[in-house]
Amino acid sequence: EAGVAQSPRYKIIEKRQSVAFWCNPISGHATLYWYQQILGQGPKLLIQFQNNGVVDDSQLPKDRFSAERLKGVDSTLKIQPAKLEDSAVYLCASSPGAGGRGQYEQYFGPGTRLTVT
Amino acid sequence: GIQVEQSPPDLILQEGANSTLRCNFSDSVNNLQWFHQNPWGQLINLFYIPSGTKQNGRLSATTVATERYSLLYISSSQTTDSGVYFCAVVNFNKFYFGSGTKLNVKP
Repeated sequence: EAGVAQSPRYKIIEKRQSVAFWCNPISGHATLYWYQQILGQGPKLLIQFQNNGVVDDSQLPKDRFSAERLKGVDSTLKIQPAKLEDSAVYLCASSPGAGGRGQYEQYFGPGTRLTVT
Repeated sequence: GIQVEQSPPDLILQEGANSTLRCNFSDSVNNLQWFHQNPWGQLINLFYIPSGTKQNGRLSATTVATERYSLLYISSSQTTDSGVYFCAVVNFNKFYFGSGTKLNVKP
């Protein structure tokens, strides 16, 4: 079974530029998550989708971050314009989310390391 | 939101030693997972354990949901066990990560 795929793996941009990250979850997983992990900290949830609807985006800085999951499968996360403090690893995860015992079991992709200069 | 506290924050072991990592949480949870983040940043599932005890090789975990804690046991540690161990909980369909335990296993 293929895992969660993310691209790109690394990205370097200047502040005020825009950037987009892509995630393809495990096939059949209804729930998709984007996390931000700053060096030395635990992952922080940015947004959670159930199919193509948003379940939780309370920690997403909506003035500069946006995310979509139009067909309920893959997802993109965009930052525009980027700030220095956005330098972090952006992690995508998915879980079955269909009810039942394992609905919340998360599987993570390799992440995208973003450096803003 | 729920508070998730992990201890110890840092741990240095000699290869072959055993260790116990702890995760405390401040409210009832629907789910608890343990992850290992390797030096390349990949988060690897260790256990999905909202309650009870599970074992996988040298690792085992116990969650006592009524007392709001979980323990991760590592026996006969190896250098490949180095990295950061996170616990994550689900409370009312929201996810919360602890700040992690950084483990360094020396040869």
